[in-house]
Amino acid sequence: DAKTTQPPSMDCAEGRAANLPCNHSTISGNEYVYWYRQIHSQGPQYIIHGLKNNETNEMASLIITEDRKSSTLILPHATLRDTAVYYCIVRLSRTTSGTYKYIFGTGTRLKVLA
Amino acid sequence: DTEVTQTPKHLVMGMTNKKSLKCEQHMGHRAMYWYKQKAKKPPELMFVYSYEKLSINESVPSRFSPECPNSSLLNLHLHALQPEDSALYLCASSAETGGNQPQHFGDGTRLSIL
Repeated sequence: DAKTTQPPSMDCAEGRAANLPCNHSTISGNEYVYWYRQIHSQGPQYIIHGLKNNETNEMASLIITEDRKSSTLILPHATLRDTAVYYCIVRLSRTTSGTYKYIFGTGTRLKVLA
Repeated sequence: DTEVTQTPKHLVMGMTNKKSLKCEQHMGHRAMYWYKQKAKKPPELMFVYSYEKLSINESVPSRFSPECPNSSLLNLHLHALQPEDSALYLCASSAETGGNQPQHFGDGTRLSIL
């Protein structure tokens, strides 16, 4: 069962910030939120992840609400190369086999417009 | 460029053929994964190997047979596949199945069953 909800598509003007929302209202205390993107014909590319605190790296920022029920991925200055499907993933807590696994949401198709 | 290498990139096979997909990583990761991705859908987990032992099998049909000969290699043996098995098969690796290290994906093998 998908544990994340994302809008199916979004547009963003080149050079502007792209804000991609994700709802994960059933997230539990030890579950991390990961963001990946997938450009056509390639494998998913890791962007960023977090547990409670906001995170920033060279690609993006991740804002997680205080109740952890939702998060937003921010691409500060979107370029045409950022056009991709963006997946918000909740990593399930340790399974009975002792292994963590990802549950992918359905993703947001971001189109950056020139 | 991806650090997880998958071969071949494309494969066309008949329903009676036997073929294998190969995945290789040299990042010293001890966890490796197989995912299946149908068109316009998110990846779905098939198998997880942890320290060369099968840790998760997501009720995958026996016509798919994974193998992890060493910590750098992961194979997926295919036999008597059905047309509905046509998909992109993705391999991923992570430092281990615990912790919060992200998974790194290859660009996949696009499989077509005639």
